[in-house]
Amino acid sequence: AQSVSQHNHHVILSEAASLELGCNYSYGGTVNLFWYVQYPGQHLQLLLKYFSGDPLVKGIKGFEAEFIKSKFSFNLRKPSVQWSDTAEYFCAVSRNTPLVFGKGTRLSVIA
Amino acid sequence: SQTIHQWPATLVQPVGSPLSLECTVEGTSNPNLYWYRQAAGRGLQLLFYSVGIGQISSEVPQNLSASRPQDRQFILSSKKLLLSDSGFYLCAWSVKLAYEQYFGPGTRLTVT
Repeated sequence: AQSVSQHNHHVILSEAASLELGCNYSYGGTVNLFWYVQYPGQHLQLLLKYFSGDPLVKGIKGFEAEFIKSKFSFNLRKPSVQWSDTAEYFCAVSRNTPLVFGKGTRLSVIA
Repeated sequence: SQTIHQWPATLVQPVGSPLSLECTVEGTSNPNLYWYRQAAGRGLQLLFYSVGIGQISSEVPQNLSASRPQDRQFILSSKKLLLSDSGFYLCAWSVKLAYEQYFGPGTRLTVT
């Protein structure tokens, strides 16, 4: 069965620190990859997606992710976090199927 | 632009009562539709999805069922709720199965 692993359950960072959230998936072949964010009290929204092409993908709000096929990874990065980035982040993967989501990583940004 | 609605936003129901949660999508036709349950620390669990009217795929056998009576309407139901059905239920839509999904605001269900 397909699975998606997000290594960190809860990450706490100070403002202006750099962020990297890990995401690994369990199956090979062509995949579509996604990162979603859920701010407190808000809908899940799409941060970025990768289907093909340049493995470094830029999304909204200064986020980016890098697809490394050999490592089955799609890590999310942001060079400098803000308090407003406090949220839960979900990685998702699809291979011609409905998206399979990871368990999420809660990010807390402190002043 | 497309929008997705879910209602009710919150619901408190006694054990053994029926359930009906509704989801509608505007601004697109023939969407793929999904029901998820979200539990804290456990991510999103796909319950059902539909690629067309009257077509339902069930991912997790349980006390719930889904129906799609119209192109842009997706309903989650139960005949008799269990305590374990409590949770946060999300509806989503996409253009294709492997494409990004767009989520509704969710329904918080508490079974007492």
